[in-house]
Amino acid sequence: GAVVSQHPSWVICKSGTSVKIECRSLDFQATTMFWYRQFPKQSLMLMATSNEGSKATYEQGVEKDKFLINHASLTLSTLTVTSAHPEDSSFYICSARVGQNNQPQHFGDGTRLSIL
Amino acid sequence: DQQVKQNSPSLSVQEGRISILNCDYTNSMFDYFLWYKKYPAEGPTFLISISSIKDKNEDGRFTVFLNKSAKHLSLHIVPSQPGDSAVYFCAASPLRGNEKLTFGTGTRLTIIP
Repeated sequence: GAVVSQHPSWVICKSGTSVKIECRSLDFQATTMFWYRQFPKQSLMLMATSNEGSKATYEQGVEKDKFLINHASLTLSTLTVTSAHPEDSSFYICSARVGQNNQPQHFGDGTRLSIL
Repeated sequence: DQQVKQNSPSLSVQEGRISILNCDYTNSMFDYFLWYKKYPAEGPTFLISISSIKDKNEDGRFTVFLNKSAKHLSLHIVPSQPGDSAVYFCAASPLRGNEKLTFGTGTRLTIIP
């Protein structure tokens, strides 16, 4: 149980392109999903908390107009990197939490984004 | 400001022996702690967690110890197996309300056959 699916796993695109990444909870409903970013050999950094039916909460320093988050259903959150540039190249990972407090977040397999 | 620190970037352990991974934190509001295992180009896999009301939690070969006064936790893996070779992240979160996880920088564990 507690499977989180992320798609696509790998994207290469030209600078200026917008890229959408999907995060789905396959066997549970997630009112809250999280989006992280990881640079090579660094830790996972939380970008934003995605809440079903409401606006996402962004961490300090993360541009909300650059990284659009939509959580339209209890099983799907999307992250759109708008007008992507080479500095946006990174590994993006989503997670979802099962149930209430004292429950772990379960992660998708991540999306490797490479902007040329 | 690194609130969760893993001071050992790498660790090598002989197969069959005990692996001990350490993690320190600075934020006294953290009340829930987790360990994740991560392979390259994959998302982290949850291993084990502990809340601040406990000082030990065990699940099979994995045991997490929490010392709140020292703001220190550790993950013990015994016996270590080659498949345990991966990067291990500790993470922390306040228990009530805020669910954000703050991750450490990771420790690369290599099990030597």
